[in-house]
Amino acid sequence: DTAVSQTPKYLVTQMGNDKSIKCEQNLGHDTMYWYKQDSKKFLKIMFSYNNKELIINETVPNRFSPKSPDKAHLNLHINSLELGDSAVYFCASSQDSAEAFFGQGTRLTVV
Amino acid sequence: ELKVEQNPLFLSMQEGKNYTIYCNYSTTSDRLYWYRQDPGKSLESLFVLLSNGAVKQEGRLMASLDTKARLSTLHITAAVHDLSATYFCAVDRSNTGKLIFGQGTTLQVKP
Repeated sequence: DTAVSQTPKYLVTQMGNDKSIKCEQNLGHDTMYWYKQDSKKFLKIMFSYNNKELIINETVPNRFSPKSPDKAHLNLHINSLELGDSAVYFCASSQDSAEAFFGQGTRLTVV
Repeated sequence: ELKVEQNPLFLSMQEGKNYTIYCNYSTTSDRLYWYRQDPGKSLESLFVLLSNGAVKQEGRLMASLDTKARLSTLHITAAVHDLSATYFCAVDRSNTGKLIFGQGTTLQVKP
């Protein structure tokens, strides 16, 4: 069983579209995250939710909106996609701020 | 602002050789992590270092932490091709689960 799973794995879309990435974890962790990895492999945190409550919101455009319907799910919705949004987005989870476990990533390409 | 710097960023080495990757961070931190990423894949947790002087070993990899020097090292012993990957260190400054990543070190082990 996959511990942290994201869908879709690949996403190709046109500029201006709205898209969502879904994430689910079956580890029973209380905290979930979204990270962005750019073309140079640099990883940066975007958001963190603890028990459905937003606790970290880095400097991310308002076009990005996370939603956590329950403790095991954290989705990322992106409005009005731009070329610069192309990246790999990783979902992760942890318990009590300990070691984070990452999903397989979603490669978003905006054309 | 916490900054995490790794060096080298790229390392090409022959099988059987030893080498060390360095991870420096700019402010006091409680937790340091090492992750491995294969091309196009997720991040795999390698080591969690929680205290000054901590040393952990797994196979040909050994990680250590010196919180006074704000330095962690990842030592590779007798490298093999299977170790080829990108290695990231990450620091959680305030036990929030928010990981600040280094730039990554891409290791290429040649036969």
